[in-house]
Amino acid sequence: SQQGEEDPQALSIQEGENATMNCSYKTSINNLQWYRQNSGRGLVHLILIRSNEREKHSGRLRVTLDTSKKSSSLLITASRAADTASYFCATALRGGGTSYGKLTFGQGTILTVHP
Amino acid sequence: SAVISQKPSRDICQRGTSLTIQCQVDSQVTMMFWYRQQPGQSLTLIATANQGSEATYESGFVIDKFPISRPNLTFSTLTVSNMSPEDSSIYLCSAGGGGTNEQFFGPGTRLTVL
Repeated sequence: SQQGEEDPQALSIQEGENATMNCSYKTSINNLQWYRQNSGRGLVHLILIRSNEREKHSGRLRVTLDTSKKSSSLLITASRAADTASYFCATALRGGGTSYGKLTFGQGTILTVHP
Repeated sequence: SAVISQKPSRDICQRGTSLTIQCQVDSQVTMMFWYRQQPGQSLTLIATANQGSEATYESGFVIDKFPISRPNLTFSTLTVSNMSPEDSSIYLCSAGGGGTNEQFFGPGTRLTVL
C-alpha cells in the first residue's frame, strides 16, 4: 500500500490566503520531509520534521506531525503567486539495513495561488 | 546542504537506444539514490547507489534495465537501457538522508523516448 497519501490533490487559492496540505502514512517513520516542485523540475527541500517533534517552522511554513495519527500537515501562510507548485511529503522509515535513507513519496498536492 | 547537478537536463531518444545520466554532488556523501517520476505522477525509488558495491534495486527495477555506477563518494550514473516510450519520465538523483538528515535532489533529467 502507498506510504504517504496527500490531500487535497489540488488546491486553488487567492494570494494572501493560507494553504494547508495534509499527508498520511502507514508505518513507523524516522522523519518526514516536505518538498516543492515547480513545473516538473527538481525538488526543493522545504523542511524536515523528526518523529519526536510535533511542530516546526521555517519562514512562512509551518509543519506539524502527529505520529499517533500517522499524519502531517504543511501550512503556507500569506501565500504568493510564486508559491504555485506541487508539494510532496516523503517519509523515511525507522530502522536501518536496506531501508536506511530511502524516501517514500506521497502523491502530492498541486497548489495554485492566483494573483 | 548538498548541491547536486545532473547531466543532461533533458534528452529525446529513439526507441531501443540507451542513455546515461550523470549526477555530481558538491561534497562527499554516503548515500545516493535514483528516482523516477512518470508524467503527472509522484517519485518512485529506482535504486540506492552504493559506493564500491552493486546498487540495491527496488521491486520492479532490475540492473539490466537500469545499470548504476558509483565510482566515488561524489558521483553516480544511471543508464536507461533499451529504451521504450514507457521510459519517458523525469529521472532524479538525490544525496544524503538517513537518520535525521535531509535528502537533497538534483534538477532532474527529462527523458522523452520516441
